[in-house]
Amino acid sequence: SAVISQKPSRDICQRGTSLTIQCQVDSQVTMMFWYRQQPGQSLTLIATANQGSEATYESGFVIDKFPISRPNLTFSTLTVSNMSPEDSSIYLCSVPGGAYGYTFGSGTRLTVV
Amino acid sequence: SQQGEEDPQALSIQEGENATMNCSYKTSINNLQWYRQNSGRGLVHLILIRSNEREKHSGRLRVTLDTSKKSSSLLITASRAADTASYFCATDALGSGGTSYGKLTFGQGTILTVHP
Repeated sequence: SAVISQKPSRDICQRGTSLTIQCQVDSQVTMMFWYRQQPGQSLTLIATANQGSEATYESGFVIDKFPISRPNLTFSTLTVSNMSPEDSSIYLCSVPGGAYGYTFGSGTRLTVV
Repeated sequence: SQQGEEDPQALSIQEGENATMNCSYKTSINNLQWYRQNSGRGLVHLILIRSNEREKHSGRLRVTLDTSKKSSSLLITASRAADTASYFCATDALGSGGTSYGKLTFGQGTILTVHP
């Protein structure tokens, strides 16, 4: 299964600023997924990132708030824009692994103050 | 919104005991997967069961799937303190064309605490 390097692992940011989270995969993958995990909650899918096309966002998530880039088959970024304390969450990227399920990055723990 | 419901929300047991967690879902699925998360870190894939399978084993893990009831269970036998974590079920739903959407929908999770 793939190995994902996700950065940063954690950050504390001022409200109104933006943070870009990176995920690097050690193999080429068509689809990458970005999830949000609010404190004490389960994971919610933000968007699906396909190389060469615009990301597909789930209900409740918009491109202006969570712009995604997918410049090649091994890399993607998620930006959390104009942050507020409600954006404090763990953000995770994921790629499919076939019969081995999905591989997740180690997560980015974001605190907005 | 999350389609999966898990129970119990929290489970506290002693080392050596078995732990059973249940998951229900609402749509037709391609497969159902179980994940473990330690202290808010990344998720670790435990086991995947396909929609045409009813039971699967992996080490101390046993997963069952009942597609007629849209439910699954995860059994961890002879639990250890190191099994303390949050456990999530996740479904890979089938689209109208009979193919997977390729994205997971997670249950609310069960927090398992195993006391030494």
